[in-house]
Amino acid sequence: GDSVTQMEGPVTLSEEAFLTINCTYTATGYPSLFWYVQYPGEGLQLLLKATKADDKGSNKGFEATYRKETTSFHLEKGSVQVSDSAVYFCALWPNTGFQKLVFGTGTRLLVSP
Amino acid sequence: EPEVTQTPSHQVTQMGQEVILRCVPISNHLYFYWYRQILGQKVEFLVSFYNNEISEKSEIFDDQFSVERPDGSNFTLKIRSTKLEDSAMYFCASSGTNTGELFFGEGSRLTVL
Repeated sequence: GDSVTQMEGPVTLSEEAFLTINCTYTATGYPSLFWYVQYPGEGLQLLLKATKADDKGSNKGFEATYRKETTSFHLEKGSVQVSDSAVYFCALWPNTGFQKLVFGTGTRLLVSP
Repeated sequence: EPEVTQTPSHQVTQMGQEVILRCVPISNHLYFYWYRQILGQKVEFLVSFYNNEISEKSEIFDDQFSVERPDGSNFTLKIRSTKLEDSAMYFCASSGTNTGELFFGEGSRLTVL
């Protein structure tokens, strides 16, 4: 079945460091890919999305490119801030068959001043 | 900004008791979902609801679970006879489109003793 694999956390960085959180997926067909973020004490929020191969999603300085050849959707940010500390979830939407968001396990990011 | 609201934020119950978790989706949304996250594990799909009926459900969503949209604004999840393993954070979500862009509530933490 469809699945998403994320790197284990926590990821601990200093402010202004470069961030990469790896995400790979397994799916039949052509899924849409998402990053959701959960700030402390809040629900999940859509951060960015890409709906087809080679699309780049971006928001709030974060970027991710849909790579079909490597089945990946890695999240990157050039310079993290303390306020980026949160749990980041990679997810796919199958676009065919059973329509549900399939989440990865989440990666906690801790940014220190 | 419109948001999904959930009540209660935390409920403690005894094993075997019935629990109702309530959600108010965003008012013009058509698709409604329940997900859950057991501590430290993945966010798991439970059920989706569209046009006043269940459209998809997972194997987790057995006969002990039911959903209702009783009055056109609320969306409820009922667990008939809670088990210890039902302890989790339950997230309600809604969407205006069937594309994976979900708006999540802050969650209801259920603790079964």
